[in-house]
Amino acid sequence: EVQLVQSGAEVKKPGESLKISCKGSGYSFSSSWIGWVRQMPGKGLEWMGIIYPGDSDTRYSPSFQGQVTMSADKSISSAYLQWSSLKASDTAMYYCARLGVCSRGTCHAFDHWGQGTLVTVPS
Amino acid sequence: EIVLTQSPGTLSLSPGERATLSCRASQSVSSNYLAWYQQKPGQAPRLLIYGASSRATGIPDRFSGSGSGTDFTLTISRLEPEDFAVYYCQQYGRSTGTFGQGTKVEIK
Repeated sequence: EVQLVQSGAEVKKPGESLKISCKGSGYSFSSSWIGWVRQMPGKGLEWMGIIYPGDSDTRYSPSFQGQVTMSADKSISSAYLQWSSLKASDTAMYYCARLGVCSRGTCHAFDHWGQGTLVTVPS
Repeated sequence: EIVLTQSPGTLSLSPGERATLSCRASQSVSSNYLAWYQQKPGQAPRLLIYGASSRATGIPDRFSGSGSGTDFTLTISRLEPEDFAVYYCQQYGRSTGTFGQGTKVEIK
């Protein structure tokens, strides 16, 4: 069974750094893109970017380029999302998801999702 | 970046009725890489449809997707109580993706 398990909720102060994690199991973690999706309180889903754990190839959405850093450690089947200096506007639920639906060599839809990590940065 | 616009914002229907949700793209979606997700309160999204019209594993056949190019539709043929939720479309192209803003299907 494919599973993505995310790290627990975080409450941080503005200016602090943070790294959240997403651990995959039940499939070849190195061979599937992992994406990160933001959902601000009461709002919709936002595509942040994707990372290929096999070689750490990373593609950021223009809106998130330079705002966050994605990384992965294939040896422990984990992907990470980190901030160097949090802002109140980073308060959101963050989901990791496997970009596992592929056709004609392109993977294009998220078929399995983590449970989400709630990040709260009080202003 | 392709912008997806979903309509209507909210759909008020009764169980047993048909739901028709629209997703319009600002430019043509590559190879019909258009997916639909369902999200219920407090839960992660769930994949319903990929490639514009293929149902994901375990999705009931009352859910169907259609469309191509810039206009796509998700149809729920007969609403069940568990179908009242928020629905998002998502496209992928040029190594990135975007989501629509969502359509809420609520009980009338």
